Amino acid sequence: DAGVIQSPRHEVTEMGQEVTLRCKPISGHNSLFWYRQTMMRGLELLIYFNNNVPIDDSGMPEDRFSAKMPNASFSTLKIQPSEPRDSAVYFCASSPAGDPYEQYFGPGTRLTVT
Amino acid sequence: KQEVTQIPAALSVPEGENLVLNCSFTDSAIYNLQWFRQDPGKGLTSLLLIQSSQREQTSGRLNASLDKSSGRSTLYIAASQPGDSATYLCAVRLSTDSWGKLQFGAGTQVVVTP
Repeated sequence: DAGVIQSPRHEVTEMGQEVTLRCKPISGHNSLFWYRQTMMRGLELLIYFNNNVPIDDSGMPEDRFSAKMPNASFSTLKIQPSEPRDSAVYFCASSPAGDPYEQYFGPGTRLTVT
Repeated sequence: KQEVTQIPAALSVPEGENLVLNCSFTDSAIYNLQWFRQDPGKGLTSLLLIQSSQREQTSGRLNASLDKSSGRSTLYIAASQPGDSATYLCAVRLSTDSWGKLQFGAGTQVVVTP
């Protein structure tokens, strides 16, 4: 299995631009998580999907952030408009129905907003 | 609000020494606690998961203990090797978030010198 796939791996954009991060979970997994990691705040959960439905989005920082999961094999995290304080590494993780505690992380997308 | 603290923030030891990494949490009503490893530029890999009813878990050279009443967990790595160099994070799941939401510590960065 290829593991959790994220794209792009690196993204540099200017303030005000729209940014879309993509995630392909492991096939057969039914839960998907988006995290953000910064030096200041550490690793924070942004949103959690179960069976493609958002269950907990309390970690989404503000309305500029939105996440979708149109099907079991694809999710996006969009920031519009982006700001320099959004610079971070964004991780996607997935877990199987039979073992919800085993989260498999992707390699992350390093976002830099100038 | 649950707070997870890891001390020390960084640690450097010569190869062969045992590693002791500490994690403390403020709310003892946890569902379980998990230790992760993060290599530079990569996502997280789960090392050990301890249920709230357990006192310790072992996997090879790794041993994690849990004292829920005092809000502490310790990860021991025996006979450290340069390949153990990484950042180690602990995370707790609250009893009220049984679907899998994790609260992470900031991590301990470990360097094992040959």
